[in-house]
Amino acid sequence: DTEVTQTPKHLVMGMTNKKSLKCEQHMGHRAMYWYKQKAKKPPELMFVYSYEKLSINESVPSRFSPECPNSSLLNLHLHALQPEDSALYLCASSQGGRGVEKLFFGSGTQLSVL
Amino acid sequence: GQQVMQIPQYQHVQEGEDFTTYCNSSTTLSNIQWYKQRPGGHPVFLIQLVKSGEVKKQKRLTFQFGEAKKNSSLHITATQTTDVGTYFCAGLTSGTYKYIFGTGTRLKVLA
Repeated sequence: DTEVTQTPKHLVMGMTNKKSLKCEQHMGHRAMYWYKQKAKKPPELMFVYSYEKLSINESVPSRFSPECPNSSLLNLHLHALQPEDSALYLCASSQGGRGVEKLFFGSGTQLSVL
Repeated sequence: GQQVMQIPQYQHVQEGEDFTTYCNSSTTLSNIQWYKQRPGGHPVFLIQLVKSGEVKKQKRLTFQFGEAKKNSSLHITATQTTDVGTYFCAGLTSGTYKYIFGTGTRLKVLA
């Protein structure tokens, strides 16, 4: 199994809602990532978990809250988002978390904030 | 901060023509990766280059890492309609453990 699975594929939420994005991989990878991608732009790194510990937070607003319950799962909790947060949210994983391996991306969650 | 730029931003080619995208970093890189993202899809890893001056080939694709490890290129020979998508380079600076994606080159192949 060489897949990274993300749910839901699409999400529409209001600015007062609370929602969560989920990501799962069963490749035994020890690093997991959240990226944000706006239309026609490159992916922007948000968070990195290495061995289930948060190792990088790219100064992301606190309305985005990551969680890594175990080595296979990664969540992104969303609260009080703004319309400008609408984007494709991509989860990725890599083997060892040392930053020198290839990234396996999920198909993403397309988020719209109304 | 570190910036990774790609040129051109867009490229339209006739099927069978060659295509090249160039990636330039403001800082020296320890290695570089290339990804392809099809329209409506997610980035898919193509290759990783580590050594100065390294050249790697995958069928019709040729990847090169510059001698100064600040630039890279991807060349596609005889493009096909299946090559359509956006090609991103992603550079890693030593000690940072995070890849910075380039601005991307969107390729359209006309049949």
